[in-house]
Amino acid sequence: EAGVAQSPRYKIIEKRQSVAFWCNPISGHATLYWYQQILGQGPKLLIQFQNNGVVDDSQLPKDRFSAERLKGVDSTLKIQPAKLEDSAVYLCASSLLTASGANVLTFGAGSRLTVL
Amino acid sequence: AQSVTQPDIHITVSEGASLELRCNYSYGATPYLFWYVQSPGQGLQLLLKYFSGDTLVQGIKGFEAEFKRSQSSFNLRKPSVHWSDAAEYFCAGGGNEKLTFGTGTRLTIIP
Repeated sequence: EAGVAQSPRYKIIEKRQSVAFWCNPISGHATLYWYQQILGQGPKLLIQFQNNGVVDDSQLPKDRFSAERLKGVDSTLKIQPAKLEDSAVYLCASSLLTASGANVLTFGAGSRLTVL
Repeated sequence: AQSVTQPDIHITVSEGASLELRCNYSYGATPYLFWYVQSPGQGLQLLLKYFSGDTLVQGIKGFEAEFKRSQSSFNLRKPSVHWSDAAEYFCAGGGNEKLTFGTGTRLTIIP
């Protein structure tokens, strides 16, 4: 099966500019996640979608970050305006709920953002 | 609060030697536990997972992990490492709720 697709792979912007990242999950995966991974740290969940509804966005900085998942498939994560501390890799993942009730996540390759 | 701790930031192992990466968790009930590997510039790849049952789980690339409730641990092991195992390893817990990652252990392999 095709994996989780993300674009762009790399983006360099100046602070206060805006940027958008796109994610196409594995076909049939109802749950989609956006994680932020700052250099030297583990991934941190920004937002979780179940189909096109938001399940958890408690750690999303809503003053500058927004995300949507129209039609329950592709998703876009936007940052506006960007700050220096937003430099990170943005990982998209999707999952299928297993029979045991656990979500097993499959990750995309990530989008690396550098804010100058 | 639910958490996952990886005490070792960086480990260096000789090629062919055995490996053990530590992971401790803090959850009220039996958690779902995972180990992921991340090569430079890549996303995270699932090595193995534990949901319930047999406490010794086998994964890909010759890795295994053992769930020890008494020690709140889920350590990753490999009997003989290869140079291609050099990467960042992340332990994670959760499953049907938010997946929480540890801070990672960077593995360096020396000839």
